[in-house]
Amino acid sequence: GAGVSQSPSNKVTEKGKDVELRCDPISGHTALYWYRQSLGQGLEFLIYFQGNSAPDKSGLPSDRFSAERTGGSVSTLTIQRTQQEDSAVYLCASSLSTASSGNTIYFGEGSWLTVV
Amino acid sequence: DAKTTQPPSMDCAEGRAANLPCNHSTISGNEYVYWYRQIHSQGPQYIIHGLKNNETNEMASLIITEDRKSSTLILPHATLRDTAVYYCIVRVQGTGGFKTIFGAGTRLFVKA
Repeated sequence: GAGVSQSPSNKVTEKGKDVELRCDPISGHTALYWYRQSLGQGLEFLIYFQGNSAPDKSGLPSDRFSAERTGGSVSTLTIQRTQQEDSAVYLCASSLSTASSGNTIYFGEGSWLTVV
Repeated sequence: DAKTTQPPSMDCAEGRAANLPCNHSTISGNEYVYWYRQIHSQGPQYIIHGLKNNETNEMASLIITEDRKSSTLILPHATLRDTAVYYCIVRVQGTGGFKTIFGAGTRLFVKA
């Protein structure tokens, strides 16, 4: 697609429920990144993919968080047993690859998650 | 951890040039400097990037010092809509490739 697309744009869920957030990267981009931003805070790196492989999962805040990418395109970030502190905007980005520092990453508009 | 340091906030008068500094003293030879900005909690918007040479596009200019340890983003004629948080980023080599770590950024206030 023309840009990074994320869905849903807004999600309100009850504490304890599972949620799935979807990211569709720019066509042809093999690298995909997930970030989290709590209200008034900076961007927190979560995980990135090169193709379907996630070489660095160190940013995932707990084992309730997982992400997958299939077919080298769409990625899903899953949060199990959501807690109120998970409320944030989840941002996805993509780039041509992670092989060069010179590959620009482009962001989607984010998925706003509110856990009540 | 982010490899860059920026002032937490700056003011600029509308119509004047906004000069946003960034220090990246530990930058490696193959690491690019990127600038993004974020308005409220929208997705960060790419502005410009560079390796060694100064760069200019329709949004801004990027001046990188000869030793590459610092850079300056220049918005030539700031408008009220340029009020945002500006992030200076060095993409660092991580496990499996380059990743992008954001620091706290500079909150730019453009005033009428």
